[in-house]
Amino acid sequence: DAEITQSPRHKITETGRQVTLACHQTWNHNNMFWYRQDLGHGLRLIHYSYGVHDTNKGEVSDGYSVSRSNTEDLPLTLESAASSQTSVYFCASSDGTGTYNEQFFGPGTRLTVL
Amino acid sequence: GQQVMQIPQYQHVQEGEDFTTYCNSSTTLSNIQWYKQRPGGHPVFLIQLVKSGEVKKQKRLTFQFGEAKKNSSLHITATQTTDVGTYFCAGPGGAQKLVFGQGTRLTINP
Repeated sequence: DAEITQSPRHKITETGRQVTLACHQTWNHNNMFWYRQDLGHGLRLIHYSYGVHDTNKGEVSDGYSVSRSNTEDLPLTLESAASSQTSVYFCASSDGTGTYNEQFFGPGTRLTVL
Repeated sequence: GQQVMQIPQYQHVQEGEDFTTYCNSSTTLSNIQWYKQRPGGHPVFLIQLVKSGEVKKQKRLTFQFGEAKKNSSLHITATQTTDVGTYFCAGPGGAQKLVFGQGTRLTINP
């Protein structure tokens, strides 16, 4: 069965360190998204991609970067982790071939920045 | 940019009571999606509404899209402990993106 996975599931890091969160999907979806989820803010879009070598900034992109070298993966990098980036991170993907596309979410990564 | 407001933020009910969450937009939505996130889990797609005034049912869940396509609601009849979680609405954010409401967290007293 097709799926979307994230790793690690939990990560503790220190302020200033570079951190990369992995996202891998086997749906063969064109679209991939990274969100962060914080209490009171719902799901906020960090970065997204519509295909290989395409990346775009979302509403809360400062301090984050992504790259898309193949269809399956969209790693999220925190260049220099800050305590404000402590959050739960979700990766999602969607088909992108129709007008309305549901998003399939990964299990999430809980990141703590000390 | 596009914003989708969702209320209430929290709702606690006794098992067997009904529950409703509301989603509002200042602009007309071409469609609206609903997702459920169980505690400790990830959002899972429930349904999409497209037509003005559309009503769809999934067992005890009833989803409505307003006539003006600016609001939507999710109503759960006779809640069960399995309904616990956070319910999100999401509207189009342009070019296949979604804009999520803040979510309504439902807790149930058995």
